[in-house]
Amino acid sequence: EAGVAQSPRYKIIEKRQSVAFWCNPISGHATLYWYQQILGQGPKLLIQFQNNGVVDDSQLPKDRFSAERLKGVDSTLKIQPAKLEDSAVYLCASSFVLGTGGTDTQYFGPGTRLTVL
Amino acid sequence: QKEVEQDPGPLSVPEGAIVSLNCTYSNSAFQYFMWYRQYSRKGPELLMYTYSSGNKEDGRFTAQVDKSSKYISLFIRDSQPSDSATYLCAMPSGGTSYGKLTFGQGTILTVHP
Repeated sequence: EAGVAQSPRYKIIEKRQSVAFWCNPISGHATLYWYQQILGQGPKLLIQFQNNGVVDDSQLPKDRFSAERLKGVDSTLKIQPAKLEDSAVYLCASSFVLGTGGTDTQYFGPGTRLTVL
Repeated sequence: QKEVEQDPGPLSVPEGAIVSLNCTYSNSAFQYFMWYRQYSRKGPELLMYTYSSGNKEDGRFTAQVDKSSKYISLFIRDSQPSDSATYLCAMPSGGTSYGKLTFGQGTILTVHP
């Protein structure tokens, strides 16, 4: 079974520039998450999708971050304009179905490492 | 106060040692408790999860939960160099077993031969 795919793996930009990250979840996984992991910290949820609808975006800085999940499969996360403090690893995760009972394991991609200069 | 606190270490132990990793949490709504392992430049992967207070064993790994103290632990027996990674505790929100995860900051573990 193929895992969660993310691209690019690394990105270096200057502040005030724009950047976009792409995620392809595991086939059949309805729920998709974007987390931000700053160096030395645990991941923090930015946005959660169920199919192509947003479940939770309470911690997404909406003045500069946006995300979409067209057709309930792939997703893109965009930052415009980037700030120095956005330097982090952006992790995408997917899980089978929200609320099936039992534990709904989240499978993480390798992440995109963003450096803002 | 953070909802989940975890000692970042770093922790360095010799091969074969018993390792103890710990987290405390403040949100009584947390009911499920997970441990993720994250190798360098990789995404986290689920190692173990527990629900009730007590111990759960899986090979060399034992997860322990004390809900009365809001304290969870992960023990690694006979540690191996391949166990060198960052270990993250995580809890799903709202008392569920799924959805948004709140992570500790991670403990960096190095097991040297």
